[in-house]
Amino acid sequence: GAVVSQHPSWVICKSGTSVKIECRSLDFQATTMFWYRQFPKQSLMLMATSNEGSKATYEQGVEKDKFLINHASLTLSTLTVTSAHPEDSSFYICSARGSGVMAYFGPGTRLTVL
Amino acid sequence: ELKVEQNPLFLSMQEGKNYTIYCNYSTTSDRLYWYRQDPGKSLESLFVLLSNGAVKQEGRLMASLDTKARLSTLHITAAVHDLSATYFCAVGASGGGADGLTFGKGTHLIIQP
Repeated sequence: GAVVSQHPSWVICKSGTSVKIECRSLDFQATTMFWYRQFPKQSLMLMATSNEGSKATYEQGVEKDKFLINHASLTLSTLTVTSAHPEDSSFYICSARGSGVMAYFGPGTRLTVL
Repeated sequence: ELKVEQNPLFLSMQEGKNYTIYCNYSTTSDRLYWYRQDPGKSLESLFVLLSNGAVKQEGRLMASLDTKARLSTLHITAAVHDLSATYFCAVGASGGGADGLTFGKGTHLIIQP
């Protein structure tokens, strides 16, 4: 099946710093990538949808200036958490979709902001 | 606004028993997914259901979709401990487009010997 990777798998940073998370589709071209956030023992919440070469579409309540998304190519999307604070600590999961209906999920990135 | 409700949210059952997880959604959709998540891990895709009456089976798991009732079920047959995990259903908005998924809250399943 299709493989989606994320890097890093975990990151610890100080409050006020920015963190970049990469999401790559390894063996298919992802026309659309999605970013989700999951708090402990909760469900996944869609943050934004990005299409290659265009601006991301953010869900209601998600600050686009805080969560910068760049979908630079058909195999790479990045999420930058700017000026991170402890409340941004979460499990961030990307998903990539090619030409079919299946959306494949990355392994997730656990962000801890001290 | 698309809403997805799963029940039960927590289920403890014995090995060898059968049980069903239910997933209701609020508006028309053309695709429904079931995922499994183990603690600390990401999502593993189980099934995607695209049409009314669709039924898919893999091992001890079987998923079905009734688009008229806006209901999907995930049936577990003769449960084994290895199936302990959290199961999510997720629904895509109608139109077959590139919208992200709306997830249910998940069913935390514990299967005891």
